[in-house]
Amino acid sequence: KQEVTQIPAALSVPEGENLVLNCSFTDSAIYNLQWFRQDPGKGLTSLLLIQSSQREQTSGRLNASLDKSSGRSTLYIAASQPGDSATYLCAVSQPGNTPLVFGKGTRLSVIA
Amino acid sequence: EAGVAQSPRYKIIEKRQSVAFWCNPISGHATLYWYQQILGQGPKLLIQFQNNGVVDDSQLPKDRFSAERLKGVDSTLKIQPAKLEDSAVYLCASSLDRWGAYNEQFFGPGTRLTVL
Repeated sequence: KQEVTQIPAALSVPEGENLVLNCSFTDSAIYNLQWFRQDPGKGLTSLLLIQSSQREQTSGRLNASLDKSSGRSTLYIAASQPGDSATYLCAVSQPGNTPLVFGKGTRLSVIA
Repeated sequence: EAGVAQSPRYKIIEKRQSVAFWCNPISGHATLYWYQQILGQGPKLLIQFQNNGVVDDSQLPKDRFSAERLKGVDSTLKIQPAKLEDSAVYLCASSLDRWGAYNEQFFGPGTRLTVL
């Protein structure tokens, strides 16, 4: 059974810092890995999707990497801003039309 | 293109009452998912539909939860009777059903349920 773990559970950084969020998964036979952002009381916003054949994806100040063999992904946020404060969720999909398996998320606070 | 629609956005009920949530997926999306997200946790699948058929409902507490997608388009999730532990955000997602391709899931805004 696939399990996804995110470390740390919570993180507080001053504005302008670069930071890394970690995600690990137990079954390396994934189809894709996706990073989501969730603001309090809101739904999920997809940030980056990495297909299993890819090593990384970039969008603006965000960069996500995937090492399928070791079961790890990292989300790098450059020059953090207070508006980045949110919970970041990592999710993996198995081959086929299957549901996503999520981690518990990392709650990020960027202090001005 | 319109996104996944959900209603209501918020609902507060007393325990043992009933509640229903509605989801309208993106037009043309054959697969629809209901996820439950308890505070501090990641979303977990309750039920998956493909068109109007159930693909996976192994995690659905069938003694109190039910869901339907009668015409293969919109879906309703019902809880009867509700318990305190059902307090959560209920997320609906949909995806295409293209053979051999990754079918990205698109999420609605969710319904926040509080059971008192």
